Amino acid sequence: EVQLVESGGGLVQPGGSLRLSCAASGFAFSSYWMSWVRQAPGKGLEWVANIKHDGSQKYFVDSVKGRFTISRDNAKNSLYLQMNSLTAEDTAVYYCARDKISGPTNFDYWGQGTLVTVSS
Amino acid sequence: DIQMTQSPSSLSASVGDRITITCRASQSISSYLNWYQQTPGKAPKLLIYTASNLQSGVPLRFSGSGSGTDFTLTISSLQPEDFASYYCQQSHSGPLTFGGGTKVEIK
Repeated sequence: EVQLVESGGGLVQPGGSLRLSCAASGFAFSSYWMSWVRQAPGKGLEWVANIKHDGSQKYFVDSVKGRFTISRDNAKNSLYLQMNSLTAEDTAVYYCARDKISGPTNFDYWGQGTLVTVSS
Repeated sequence: DIQMTQSPSSLSASVGDRITITCRASQSISSYLNWYQQTPGKAPKLLIYTASNLQSGVPLRFSGSGSGTDFTLTISSLQPEDFASYYCQQSHSGPLTFGGGTKVEIK
């Protein structure tokens, strides 16, 4: 059974940092691109970043470029999102999602999400 | 960036109704369009990929169509568990973008 379990969310002050983790199981993690998708309270979905199976390619939405870093450890079946210089606009539930092996993206498995609240 | 526009933003319907949700891309995305369902407090669930392919385990009452810039998601006979929000998402080019969502409510 495919499972994605996020952790690391919480309350952080504006300008602060947070590192999210996603533990994957039940599939060949090292074969898949992986993504982070977020959802602000009461709002729609926003793709944040993704990373190729071997970590050699990474892409970000413009609003987080230069502030967020995505990484993975295939030996630990884990995905990470390092978030720096956080603002209130980053407040959201952050989901880890399984992306593609190749070809067009679709997010066929999602974690339960972890809430990040940026507030003083 | 490719903008995705869904309509309507909300709709009220009854069990057994046939409903259609529309998604329009700001430029041609071929068939690189996915549909998701989200119930409150839950993660999204993939329903349809590349415009018309039903994800494994998704009931046959869900169908998708379209190509280029105009796409539709149809539920042929609405069931109680289908009252949820629906999102389209393009995978043609980065950044990956979602539509604003359509909330399907009980009439």
